[in-house]
Amino acid sequence: GEDVEQSLFLSVREGDSSVINCTYTDSSSTYLYWYKQEPGAGLQLLTYIFSNMDMKQDQRLTVLLNKKDKHLSLRIADTQTGDSAIYFCAEIPLRGSSASKIIFGSGTRLSIRP
Amino acid sequence: GAGVSQTPSNKVTEKGKYVELRCDPISGHTALYWYRQSLGQGPEFLIYFQGTGAADDSGLPNDRFFAVRPEGSVSTLKIQRTERGDSAVYLCASSLSKGGEQYFGPGTRLTVT
Repeated sequence: GEDVEQSLFLSVREGDSSVINCTYTDSSSTYLYWYKQEPGAGLQLLTYIFSNMDMKQDQRLTVLLNKKDKHLSLRIADTQTGDSAIYFCAEIPLRGSSASKIIFGSGTRLSIRP
Repeated sequence: GAGVSQTPSNKVTEKGKYVELRCDPISGHTALYWYRQSLGQGPEFLIYFQGTGAADDSGLPNDRFFAVRPEGSVSTLKIQRTERGDSAVYLCASSLSKGGEQYFGPGTRLTVT
């Protein structure tokens, strides 16, 4: 089946690193994604990783993929107040008729404390 | 350029009524998707259009839900005999082609009283 799981809340101090974890079940996904959702704003693609990669770095963001354990993580370095949002882990399984629908986790709400 | 737009931004309706939610995709995007996001949850897939045809409607919860895209651009999600459990944010996304990056609209918040 298709399932993406992540913890619901994370609180970090401003300037520290945030690590948001996710597990997924479908090994057919070619890409795995992190989306960001801020209050009143649309869902925004933050970054993604190709399934044959272990790591991807993009400025303050680092994505780690353990394909054997089906575990994905997002690390945000030097977390700022503007990083407060809900972060969704997501995949697009290649199985199925459309192979285009995104399967989202429940989202991790990241809050920043001073 | 303009992103995906959705109207209305908010809709309050009474139980049993019919509602239509509209999505204007990014110009030139052939693929269009509808998702539903309940409070505290991630978006859940409803239906995917490639051009005018519904390529995958496996996410529609029941036959009260229907969507059209008659000219391959604007899409309308139609909900008949609304129930309180239909209350959610309905998100639309479009992509240049199947498998391309999906760009999301701001959503329509539907409240059924």
